[in-house]
Amino acid sequence: GAVVSQHPSRVICKSGTSVKIECRSLDFQATTMFWYRQFPKQSLMLMATSNEGSKATYEQGVEKDKFLINHASLTLSTLTVTSAHPEDSSFYICSARPRPRPYEQYFGPGTRLTVT
Amino acid sequence: DAKTTQPTSMDCAEGRAANLPCNHSTISGNEYVYWYRQIHSQGPQYIIHGLKNNETNEMASLIITEDRKSSTLILPHATLRDTAVYYCIVRDNTDKLIFGTGTRLQVFP
Repeated sequence: GAVVSQHPSRVICKSGTSVKIECRSLDFQATTMFWYRQFPKQSLMLMATSNEGSKATYEQGVEKDKFLINHASLTLSTLTVTSAHPEDSSFYICSARPRPRPYEQYFGPGTRLTVT
Repeated sequence: DAKTTQPTSMDCAEGRAANLPCNHSTISGNEYVYWYRQIHSQGPQYIIHGLKNNETNEMASLIITEDRKSSTLILPHATLRDTAVYYCIVRDNTDKLIFGTGTRLQVFP
């Protein structure tokens, strides 16, 4: 149990285009989902926290107009990287917290974004 | 900011116990100690967590000192597949998981 999936697993896009990444909790409902970003040889950096049905809370330094997060249901959150640039190339990882067990948190396999 | 300090890297022979230390001297009474690991190019995997008692599951054991200022993750019989970066994180139930730099564990044959 407690599986989180992401789609796509890797994506290449041209500079200036937008890319959407989906995160799903497959066997549980998640009231809270998180998006992280990881650059090569660095640790995970939290980008934002989203609760179902409400606006996401972004960490300091993360542009909310560039990284659009939608948490429309208890099993789905999406991250859209708008007007992507090469410096947005990174490993994006989502995470979900089960509804009745807030002390647990599970991570997706990650999405490798390359902007050319 | 991460509230933990871990060694940058450690080695362990296959079949031996791997003991990964973590210092969290500023931990507060309602904060738990969590351990995750990340194998190259994958999402982090939950290992174990605890508050003040020692914990054991099918993956590992967590030993927390009586003053809760430090802990040790024990992998009893390390295998090559345990090679990963191990993250020790402290948080309360409603807080975010903030990752530090972790310990890169290399298990060798």
